Amino acid sequence: EPEVTQTPSHQVTQMGQEVILRCVPISNHLYFYWYRQILGQKVEFLVSFYNNEISEKSEIFDDQFSVERPDGSNFTLKIRSTKLEDSAMYFCASSGDLSGNTEAFFGQGTRLTVV
Amino acid sequence: QKEVEQNSGPLSVPEGAIASLNCTYSDRGSQSFFWYRQYSGKSPELIMSIYSNGDKEDGRFTAQLNKASQYVSLLIRDSQPSDSATYLCAVRDSSASKIIFGSGTRLSIRP
Repeated sequence: EPEVTQTPSHQVTQMGQEVILRCVPISNHLYFYWYRQILGQKVEFLVSFYNNEISEKSEIFDDQFSVERPDGSNFTLKIRSTKLEDSAMYFCASSGDLSGNTEAFFGQGTRLTVV
Repeated sequence: QKEVEQNSGPLSVPEGAIASLNCTYSDRGSQSFFWYRQYSGKSPELIMSIYSNGDKEDGRFTAQLNKASQYVSLLIRDSQPSDSATYLCAVRDSSASKIIFGSGTRLSIRP
């Protein structure tokens, strides 16, 4: 069964360092998302991406965040200068095939710990 | 601000009983509605989607949608201990560019 895969599963980084979280969406999906979940809190939308550009971003997605689809399969989230409050689970999701299916499927997540 | 509201629980249900989970949403233009299950430390897992008013059944799960009342619910019949998890209501907003999640209802099935 097709699935969204994310790497790494766990990343520890020092405050101020750059991190890149990687995702391989389901191959025939057209829409890609990043969400984050701080421990004990709700799943929060960060950004959506369609047709090689950002469709929508939340107020959390400030200038320190960027997304890229560097090739036909990968979708990345870069955090330029990490802060302690960036520590969270980051989930990639994808949805939307040509049949109009809008269900979104999530990867297993990357736990980011900023120290 | 578009919102999805759920009772946080915990909701405790005896094994074999029906668990009823509820959700309201604020964006009247929303057209797609989802229920996800999330075990502690894991990612959200899609269990149901619903797009039209009424009921949709899939095995032990029934999703109900009432767009006039902006209300979505999930019924779990014959609850099992493995159903113990946090259930997330999610709504694709009217812009269709994002899915907004509620804060989740923690469900506990007691043997």
